[in-house]
Amino acid sequence: DAKTTQPPSMDCAEGRAANLPCNHSTISGNEYVYWYRQIHSQGPQYIIHGLKNNETNEMASLIITEDRKSSTLILPHATLRDTAVYYCIVNNAGNNRKLIWGLGTSLAVNP
Amino acid sequence: NAGVTQTPKFQVLKTGQSMTLQCAQDMNHNSMYWYRQDPGMGLRLIYYSASEGTTDKGEVPNGYNVSRLNKREFSLRLESAAPSQTSVYFCATQGAGGFGDTQYFGPGTRLTVL
Repeated sequence: DAKTTQPPSMDCAEGRAANLPCNHSTISGNEYVYWYRQIHSQGPQYIIHGLKNNETNEMASLIITEDRKSSTLILPHATLRDTAVYYCIVNNAGNNRKLIWGLGTSLAVNP
Repeated sequence: NAGVTQTPKFQVLKTGQSMTLQCAQDMNHNSMYWYRQDPGMGLRLIYYSASEGTTDKGEVPNGYNVSRLNKREFSLRLESAAPSQTSVYFCATQGAGGFGDTQYFGPGTRLTVL
């Protein structure tokens, strides 16, 4: 499974967009990009995933570069409740579907 | 629907004691997972079960055993607890289809081994 690289921490002002980058330069053609977040010490929560097209849902948008070597998770209007650790994961849905979790990005949304 | 439930929420053990962590899901998912998370670390897979009746080792299986009792339940047993097993334990399920390989997590069990 491909590995990902994320900045360890980021800050964002409340109400502004939070843009969280992820590098996955060794991603293979059949690997998806997944984003999860973990608030305090709760169980991780799924946010969004994509293969090569940009995706949007009620929580966030996912922008994947054309070469698929990096992606950006966008929280369009960050709130204090978005303060969490955000994990970017790549996974091949065709294998045993195990996810490899890195250290993620700790996002602090400030008032 | 409760989703994924875990019991107990908190537990303190002495070294050498045994215990079983319980996980149950009402999502009708085939795959279930046990992870541990140490302070400041990402999740590490202990064991997983792709379907009822099957289990496989993950990244850190030593010191643990699992049972997939039925489709709903997946338990994790510590036969002789050690301080190195102090951690937060998460159970997860995984469905298929429209959401790809999305995993759904329980609230966690916080275990301290003295």
